Amino acid sequence: AQSVAQPEDQVNVAEGNPLTVKCTYSVSGNPYLFWYVQYPNRGLQFLLKYITGDNLVKGSYGFEAEFNKSQTSFHLKKPSALVSDSALYFCAVRDKTNNDMRFGAGTRLTVKP
Amino acid sequence: ETGVTQTPRHLVMGMTNKKSLKCEQHLGHNAMYWYKQSAKKPLELMFVYNFKEQTENNSVPSRFSPECPNSSHLFLHLHTLQPEDSALYLCASSQDSGQGAGGYTFGSGTRLTVV
Repeated sequence: AQSVAQPEDQVNVAEGNPLTVKCTYSVSGNPYLFWYVQYPNRGLQFLLKYITGDNLVKGSYGFEAEFNKSQTSFHLKKPSALVSDSALYFCAVRDKTNNDMRFGAGTRLTVKP
Repeated sequence: ETGVTQTPRHLVMGMTNKKSLKCEQHLGHNAMYWYKQSAKKPLELMFVYNFKEQTENNSVPSRFSPECPNSSHLFLHLHTLQPEDSALYLCASSQDSGQGAGGYTFGSGTRLTVV
């Protein structure tokens, strides 16, 4: 079965600096990869996904993620962080051969003014 | 609003109570899911319904009982819960639970506290 690891519980960055939230995955076949964001007292909101094609995927709110097959990673990035980006971020993987979406434990991003 | 509505937003119940969580979507999706979110733990998939049929039950205790009367509605019936069941319960839907590339649309969740 597929799995996702988010190695950092917490990421702190200063406003205006670039941010990276890390994600590695394990899947037997080719993956569909997703990033979701959760604001306080809300459900998860879709940010972006990798299905096939270009390894660099652009999503909502200026976020992007890079699929790296050799390193089995799908790190989330943004060139310039905003205070409003502070939230809980979840990486998820879905195996193309089954219907099971697996989520990581989440990384709390805090952007300080 | 995301298109998936969950009620109530907050629920406090005693261990002997019976209550139900409701989820509703009008996105035309055919698959619906219940997840449990506890602090510092991965999202736990509880149940999957595809075209109203339950296709997955991830070893969830019988004190949680799902019901899916149609593709737009999903319920989670709760009875004799334990304090460790306190968590945020999230409902999600997707186009299907088969081999699609689609992501999930989540509701805002029900914050459940068992006292």
